[in-house]
Amino acid sequence: DAMVIQNPRYQVTQFGKPVTLSCSQTLNHNVMYWYQQKSSQAPKLLFHYYDKDFNNEADTPDNFQSRRPNTSFCFLDIRSPGLGDAAMYLCATSGRVRWDYNEQFFGPGTRLTVL
Amino acid sequence: GQQLNQSPQSMFIQEGEDVSMNCTSSSIFNTWLWYKQDPGEGPVLLIALYKAGELTSNGRLTAQFGITRKDSFLNISASIPSDVGIYFCAGRQGAQKLVFGQGTRLTINP
Repeated sequence: DAMVIQNPRYQVTQFGKPVTLSCSQTLNHNVMYWYQQKSSQAPKLLFHYYDKDFNNEADTPDNFQSRRPNTSFCFLDIRSPGLGDAAMYLCATSGRVRWDYNEQFFGPGTRLTVL
Repeated sequence: GQQLNQSPQSMFIQEGEDVSMNCTSSSIFNTWLWYKQDPGEGPVLLIALYKAGELTSNGRLTAQFGITRKDSFLNISASIPSDVGIYFCAGRQGAQKLVFGQGTRLTINP
């Protein structure tokens, strides 16, 4: 089945130690998104790639970076995690049809703990 | 910025009861999406709506795109224990990013 895969599902890191989260998709979608979700809140968009074009949200801290080496994979790098970065990180994809984007499909998420 | 007001924030119901929740906005949207999120998992798309007045069903779930394009409704009929979770509405204008509601937490007493 076509799907969005996130690894690892659970990640523990130390304060200030860089961490990378990964996302892969078999949907062949050209748009990939990274969201941050804190407990009992709605997902918050960090950035997205439209093909190779990177689109950062204005309020995304510089501490968060992303790479998309090819259509299938996208990475979220947190350069110096702080305690406030502990959250669920969600990857999503969508395919562009005509002038509008399709539905967004989410992966299962990576739960990040910062010690 | 755009905001979606989702209500109610939480619901406590008996198994077998019907459920209704809604989202409203001061802005017009041309897409409404409804997601369900289980604890520790990512949101799962339930229903997508693209046309004002559209009424779409997915099993026991029915969602409607409001005529004014500023609201949407989700109904669940004859609730069962696996319906427990958080339901999010999300709206979009054109190629803009999704705007999410704050979620409705559904709890079911057996």
